Amino acid sequence: DIQMTQSPSTLSASVGDRVTITCRASQSISNNLAWYQQKPGIAPKLLIYKASTLESGVPSRFSGSGSGTQFTLTISSLQPDDLATYYCQQCHSYSLTFGGGTKVEI
Amino acid sequence: EVQLVQSGGGLVQPGGSLRLSCAVSGFTFSDHYMDWVRQAPGKGLEWVGRTKYKAENYRTEYAASVKDRFTISRDDSKNSLYLQMNSLKTEDTAMYYCIKCSGPYSAFEIWGQGTMVTVSS
Repeated sequence: DIQMTQSPSTLSASVGDRVTITCRASQSISNNLAWYQQKPGIAPKLLIYKASTLESGVPSRFSGSGSGTQFTLTISSLQPDDLATYYCQQCHSYSLTFGGGTKVEI
Repeated sequence: EVQLVQSGGGLVQPGGSLRLSCAVSGFTFSDHYMDWVRQAPGKGLEWVGRTKYKAENYRTEYAASVKDRFTISRDDSKNSLYLQMNSLKTEDTAMYYCIKCSGPYSAFEIWGQGTMVTVSS
């Protein structure tokens, strides 16, 4: 199975900060990577797919980049509503796998 | 509007069985992969398995942790997805989500509300 390693596991930042979360795959997954946001008690929500394509309705302060084994999720200006845990996920091969998550605290 | 409405969770003893259901609407069910993902209390996300679409004969894939114990099926006439869970273990305790996915290499587009499964004596 492809291992997905996310960092940091926890991130504390202030409103307006630029925030970056990284995700590393144990082998190349091309651009078959997605990012999800999960708020407490709620199902995850798709933010970005194909590594860099913003899902419809997601604020433009979210962006994704990378290919191969290294990926990043960036929030350009952190907002109070962004308090959540963020997960990367590889859609490249079975078993589909998630990163361990990054909890963003404000 | 796309909707995935889950049902069937609950408390079951180790070694027991449970079937989860996911009723979908708002899209052509037979044209989409459908997945199950679970989340143990306070933990991260774990993919459970998927059923592919009609064009791929509804073939299934499973995570190693549930293979040979869990079975995913679908009934396109009822727009419903199912997860049959047998030989349940305490480590299967989790919130289970059904998910709409377009196809191979696609992300998990829409998630159900989740249903809790607790395996305990």
